[in-house]
Amino acid sequence: LAKTTQPISMDSYEGQEVNITCSHNNIATNDYITWYQQFPSQGPRFIIQGYKTKVTNEVASLFIPADRKSSTLSLPRVSLSDTAVYYCLVGFLSGGYQKVTFGIGTKLQVIP
Amino acid sequence: AAGVIQSPRHLIKEKRETATLKCYPIPRHDTVYWYQQGPGQDPQFLISFYEKMQSDKGSIPDRFSAQQFSDYHSELNMSSLELGDSALYFCASSRRTEQLTGEQYFGPGTRLTVT
Repeated sequence: LAKTTQPISMDSYEGQEVNITCSHNNIATNDYITWYQQFPSQGPRFIIQGYKTKVTNEVASLFIPADRKSSTLSLPRVSLSDTAVYYCLVGFLSGGYQKVTFGIGTKLQVIP
Repeated sequence: AAGVIQSPRHLIKEKRETATLKCYPIPRHDTVYWYQQGPGQDPQFLISFYEKMQSDKGSIPDRFSAQQFSDYHSELNMSSLELGDSALYFCASSRRTEQLTGEQYFGPGTRLTVT
């Protein structure tokens, strides 16, 4: 099981770009990298997923270097509503079924 | 769009009692996951089902059991409740895709309080 390491917390001012890096040195060939966002007392919400290089959607970008041992979630121009916990997950196929484990997420605090 | 439905949203039980949490996945989703999230903690995977069969098991206590029914809804049964079982319980669903992780859609959670 690939273990992930993220910063425990980050602060950012409104309007800035925020980059959260996740380390996953033991990532396997078939693993995908997925990021979730969670607000207090709510279920996690899918943000973005990637396998390699760069993925972009309407809310974020995900940068994955060639060795895939880390990934960086980029949130452009954050607002106060982006204050949340962000989880980096590395999933794999175990016995033919999906298995995803949440690690310690990054608590992002956006400051006015 | 339809989302994952969980019931009840709040539940208060006493120690040693039993509780049943229900989850209704998004239509056409074939996989259901259960997570437990204690206060200030990260979600812990409990168990998952694919096409009504248990597909993976995480840190689910022996006092807990779960199943997925023919209509794909799932129930988490918890017996001999302990104070430490007080937590938010999330159900998530997904559709098995070519991508290995599969995007999971989480429900609003059931807040269980054991007194």
